Amino acid sequence: EAGVAQSPRYKIIEKRQSVAFWCNPISGHATLYWYQQILGQGPKLLIQFQNNGVVDDSQLPKDRFSAERLKGVDSTLKIQPAKLEDSAVYLCASSLVGSGGTEQFFGPGTRLTVL
Amino acid sequence: AQRVTQPEKLLSVFKGAPVELKCNYSYSGSPELFWYVQYSRQRLQLLLRHISRESIKGFTADLNKGETSFHLKKPFAQEEDSAMYYCALSGLSGGYQKVTFGIGTKLQVIP
Repeated sequence: EAGVAQSPRYKIIEKRQSVAFWCNPISGHATLYWYQQILGQGPKLLIQFQNNGVVDDSQLPKDRFSAERLKGVDSTLKIQPAKLEDSAVYLCASSLVGSGGTEQFFGPGTRLTVL
Repeated sequence: AQRVTQPEKLLSVFKGAPVELKCNYSYSGSPELFWYVQYSRQRLQLLLRHISRESIKGFTADLNKGETSFHLKKPFAQEEDSAMYYCALSGLSGGYQKVTFGIGTKLQVIP
């Protein structure tokens, strides 16, 4: 079974520029997560989708970050404009459902460097 | 609010020595606890979950509700156990399951 796909794997931009990340979850997985992982920290949930609806975006900096999952399958995360503190690895994960004991499957991540 | 604490950022042990990676949590209800692992140049992946009560790669973890802990243990460390280990909690919040990760502990097994 194919895993969670993410692109690009690496991105370097200057502050105030825009950037977009793409994620394709495992086929059939209803729940999709975007995490931000800053160096030396654990993954922090940015947004969680159940099919194409947002379940939790309480930690998403909505003045600059946006995400969508239009057809309930793949998803994009955008940052506009980027700040230096956005430098991090952005992880996408998916699961069958968002229930308590459900395993999350992670993509390889996108490493963003903001100069 | 739910919180996961991993007090050690780095744990170094010799091969063959016992390993205990600590995880404490704060949550008012009945949590689901997980250990995820990330080996060098690999994806973050599930190691084990408390509801399965299973042993994976020789690792076990017991949920202690009295001490609000979910420590990961292995009796004899192997070099291939060197990795980043993250404890995670899934708890009901606002009608859905919310997952919170700890900051992670780097396990270094010395040959």
